[in-house]
Amino acid sequence: IAGITQAPTSQILAAGRRMTLRCTQDMRHNAMYWYRQDLGLGLRLIHYSNTAGTTGKGEVPDGYSVSRANTDDFPLTLASAVPSQTSVYFCASSDEASGANVLTFGAGSRLTVL
Amino acid sequence: GQNIDQPTEMTATEGAIVQINCTYQTSGFNGLFWYQQHAGEAPTFLSYNVLDGLEEKGRFSSFLSRSKGYSYLLLKELQMKDSASYLCAVKGSNYQLIWGAGTKLIIKP
Repeated sequence: IAGITQAPTSQILAAGRRMTLRCTQDMRHNAMYWYRQDLGLGLRLIHYSNTAGTTGKGEVPDGYSVSRANTDDFPLTLASAVPSQTSVYFCASSDEASGANVLTFGAGSRLTVL
Repeated sequence: GQNIDQPTEMTATEGAIVQINCTYQTSGFNGLFWYQQHAGEAPTFLSYNVLDGLEEKGRFSSFLSRSKGYSYLLLKELQMKDSASYLCAVKGSNYQLIWGAGTKLIIKP
């Protein structure tokens, strides 16, 4: 089934530890995104990539980094996790050629930083 | 600043009609989206409006007025499975999406 796979589904992490959230898509979409979703707030864009080899900063990039070595993979790394990074993280992709740029989301990764 | 406003929670009865409003103030406008998100799941695309007017898709319709910075999502013949959060998002001048906090819709039998 075509779509986006995220891993892990959930993780509890000690503050100060490094963590990488994985995201893989098989739809050959050019654009990929990482969002965080917190209670009472809208989805907030962390980083994005319009095409393989390029990345950009979103609304809340501090403390996070991404890479886009190929079309399919877009990992998100927390270099030194802090409790404020406790959240649900969604990876998404879109087909720029479709015009509307409808997002397809992964199932999410729930991260708890203690 | 930029903001998207929608009600936090709404309650409706199975079989009825409900309208979820969304008002926005953004720098630039390149389209408005509605997504549905069931609890614990990922958002899924419902509708897209870029021109003024009503877009109908089965039981769901979405309306846009760019001059008023206003949209609504209309859900007809409500079913229990429509219990979910409904997210309004606007594509701004930089072509990135600005999201509302979502409206949690509770359907009662």
